[in-house]
Amino acid sequence: AQSVTQPDIHITVSEGASLELRCNYSYGATPYLFWYVQSPGQGLQLLLKYFSGDTLVQGIKGFEAEFKRSQSSFNLRKPSVHWSDAAEYFCAVAPTGTASKLTFGTGTRLQVTL
Amino acid sequence: GAGVSQSPSNKVTEKGKDVELRCDPISGHTALYWYRQSLGQGLEFLIYFQGNSAPDKSGLPSDRFSAERTGGSVSTLTIQRTQQEDSAVYLCASSLAGTGVTYEQYFGPGTRLTVT
Repeated sequence: AQSVTQPDIHITVSEGASLELRCNYSYGATPYLFWYVQSPGQGLQLLLKYFSGDTLVQGIKGFEAEFKRSQSSFNLRKPSVHWSDAAEYFCAVAPTGTASKLTFGTGTRLQVTL
Repeated sequence: GAGVSQSPSNKVTEKGKDVELRCDPISGHTALYWYRQSLGQGLEFLIYFQGNSAPDKSGLPSDRFSAERTGGSVSTLTIQRTQQEDSAVYLCASSLAGTGVTYEQYFGPGTRLTVT
């Protein structure tokens, strides 16, 4: 069965600092990969997705993620964090070819200090 | 345009009662999904509808849970004889297609269910 691991439950960064959120997946083949963000009291918003091709994908709000097959990772990055980025971030996978149901990681809560 | 909407936004019910949660997907989206977000279990897939195909019910935790989608649009998730462990936020999502590169799930704001 596929699984997603987000090893960091909670991360605190200063505004303007760079950010990297880790995501590792376990799956027999390369799955579809996603990062979602959830602000307090809000639904999930898609930041970016990877299906195939270029392993560095750009998303909204200045986020990017890099797929590394050898490490089974899909880490999310942002060069300069803004206070409004404080939220919970979820990595998710879906089976290639079906993309029907997402398996989520447990999430990483990002706190931004001013 | 209008996003995915869910109602009610909050629901408090007594243990043993039945509840119905509603989801209105984005117009034209053929796929609809239900997920549950709880403190103990994180975000879990429950059920998936794609067009007129039989739904994928593989994530439903027990036979107390059921869902239907009428006319390929609105969906209702029903929980019978609610238990305290059913307390969670129930999220609905929809997408244009269940497969392919156009796939992207858009989520609603969720229904927070509290079972007392």
